[in-house]
Amino acid sequence: DSGVTQTPKHLITATGQRVTLRCSPRSGDLSVYWYQQSLDQGLQFLIQYYNGEERAKGNILERFSAQQFPDLHSELNLSSLELGDSALYFCASSGQGLNYGYTFGSGTRLTVV
Amino acid sequence: AQTVTQSQPEMSVQEAETVTLSCTYDTSENNYYLFWYKQPPSRQMILVIRQEAYKQQNATENRFSVNFQKAAKSFSLKISDSQLGDTAMYFCAFSLSNFGNEKLTFGTGTRLTIIP
Repeated sequence: DSGVTQTPKHLITATGQRVTLRCSPRSGDLSVYWYQQSLDQGLQFLIQYYNGEERAKGNILERFSAQQFPDLHSELNLSSLELGDSALYFCASSGQGLNYGYTFGSGTRLTVV
Repeated sequence: AQTVTQSQPEMSVQEAETVTLSCTYDTSENNYYLFWYKQPPSRQMILVIRQEAYKQQNATENRFSVNFQKAAKSFSLKISDSQLGDTAMYFCAFSLSNFGNEKLTFGTGTRLTIIP
């Protein structure tokens, strides 16, 4: 267990639907990052939250949104889903100082049919 | 913007041999942090090793070591005495900060296969 919890592990949904992916960071970590990994591709940065505030945005589609709640867990919302959104979505959290490092969750595998 | 380049899409090596994976990066910053992550078939992202740019000494973790050449902006990973469990995708990554407030930028990965 890496300490970063992602739910659900697997998700199958139809085109046009909306889903929510959840991430709980490692205890004490303030930053949460979302990455998308399509089949046999690298990790594409989507968005970062730091202590509840959006800090950086990557190649995130307008159909996608995210937020970080006061308890620091984060949710990634994907709407109007298309076949091309099928991918593995990773959440990572990072600490600072002696706890510095990026820890990844086990990912949510989204399949759009 | 920072970029990370891994020029070897695939590599294979015999078990027990040594293999080196290449990574170059581009940044105008002087202080930064470099990482190698392993992604086995389970798809879990596992930290292999990290290097702080201000440290001249190359990082080592058991059979894994890096060759960090700051002037050349090169950060290669050497795996000694390779094992079947080393078969995985390996990603080189870059971050500007150790305060936990900067994103990690990844290369495209190198698929490493260890041959029995």
